[in-house]
Amino acid sequence: AQSVTQPDIHITVSEGASLELRCNYSYGATPYLFWYVQSPGQGLQLLLKYFSGDTLVQGIKGFEAEFKRSQSSFNLRKPSVHWSDAAEYFCAATFSGGYQKVTFGTGTKLQVIP
Amino acid sequence: DAGVTQSPTHLIKTRGQQVTLRCSPKSGHDTVSWYQQALGQGPQFIFQYYEEEERQRGNFPDRFSGHQFPNYSSELNVNALLLGDSALYLCASSSGQGANIQYFGAGTRLSVL
Repeated sequence: AQSVTQPDIHITVSEGASLELRCNYSYGATPYLFWYVQSPGQGLQLLLKYFSGDTLVQGIKGFEAEFKRSQSSFNLRKPSVHWSDAAEYFCAATFSGGYQKVTFGTGTKLQVIP
Repeated sequence: DAGVTQSPTHLIKTRGQQVTLRCSPKSGHDTVSWYQQALGQGPQFIFQYYEEEERQRGNFPDRFSGHQFPNYSSELNVNALLLGDSALYLCASSSGQGANIQYFGAGTRLSVL
C-alpha cells in the first residue's frame, strides 16, 4: 500500500544544534514529496518539495531535504536550529502525480531547548 | 494576494447536528481539497473538487459531502455528527494544471459534544 512513515513522533534538540527528521515512503515508483510545518493552532506551510532532478532540495527557513531512491527516504535537515523552529513537521507524498490526493505521515513534533 | 481562507475558525456542535465549513482558494487556483486532522495525527484526505465536481474521494462515509461554486470556493458538509468527527478541518487549494502543490488554510476547529 502507498504510505508515508515518520518513525520519530517527538524529537528534542538544543538551539544551535543540527536537525534531521526522517521520512520513508512505500511506493513502486518515485512520488512527489513534500515537507510541511505546522505551528500550534495553524495550518500547514510548505517548506520544500521534490518532483525530479537534483536530489538535494532547498526550502524556506534554511531547511533542506535529500531524496534517496535506494532507501525510499526523504529526510529533512537543518544545520542550526532556532527556537522558532519548534513545531510539528509533516512529510507528505502524492503517489500518482497530477491531481491526486496528498498522503501525510503522522508527523514529528520538534521541541527546541535553550 | 490572499491565501487560502477558511470560515469559521472554531465551531461547536452536538451529536446528530449538521455542519457546513467554507473555503476560499488562493487567487488563481481552481482546485480545492479537504482534509481532516484528528488530534495528534496527520491530515487525512476527504475529497477534492475541480470544475465543480468531486474528482477524488478518500475513505470517508457519505455523511461527508461537498460542493464547489463557479468562483472555485468550496463547502464541506457533515451530517449526523459523531463525537469522532471532532477535528481540525483543513482546506487546500491548488492549480488544476501541472504538479500538485497544495497550499493550506489555517483550518476550522470542529468540536462535537
